[in-house]
Amino acid sequence: GAVVSQHPSWVICKSGTSVKIECRSLDFQATTMFWYRQFPKQSLMLMATSNEGSKATYEQGVEKDKFLINHASLTLSTLTVTSAHPEDSSFYICSAREPVGNSPLHFGNGTRLTVT
Amino acid sequence: GEDVEQSLFLSVREGDSSVINCTYTDSSSTYLYWYKQEPGAGLQLLTYIFSNMDMKQDQRLTVLLNKKDKHLSLRIADTQTGDSAIYFCAESITGNQFYFGTGTSLTVIP
Repeated sequence: GAVVSQHPSWVICKSGTSVKIECRSLDFQATTMFWYRQFPKQSLMLMATSNEGSKATYEQGVEKDKFLINHASLTLSTLTVTSAHPEDSSFYICSAREPVGNSPLHFGNGTRLTVT
Repeated sequence: GEDVEQSLFLSVREGDSSVINCTYTDSSSTYLYWYKQEPGAGLQLLTYIFSNMDMKQDQRLTVLLNKKDKHLSLRIADTQTGDSAIYFCAESITGNQFYFGTGTSLTVIP
């Protein structure tokens, strides 16, 4: 089945530093990947849609300069949290789907970011 | 935007059946999905149903879809402690538009 790999699983960084999270589709090509943020005991909040070879589409209220998305290949999208602050601490999850019909979303295992 | 609603909590005894319910508002959904999320992990696809189907069974899982009432349910037979998790329903309208429910936290009591 389709597998999405996300790294790192968890990261602790100091305020003001930047953190990069990688999302890879291991056995399929994904022209589109999605980045979500999840607060404790809440549902997923879509942050942005990552499009291979073009600019990401951000949801309303998500700062483009804060959350940089790069989708340079058909199997890799990265999310960089720039100048991280404690309020950026959260669980970030990526997902991707095979570009066939109405194939379902497959999720990475998430990244727990803690900014101190 | 699209609203997908679920009850927040459900507790069942081990061995009983669990039924998790979901309602949605957009009748143009094409596929509806159930995902399972264990603590600290991503979402695992459990099963999905095409919108022109009424029911789908996959081992202990049964999905029922009432398109008229825009109601989706997931029944887990013989619920085990390993089934304790958060369950999300989701619908897709077009290929890249997915809407997730609020999640139902299932607790299985031994």
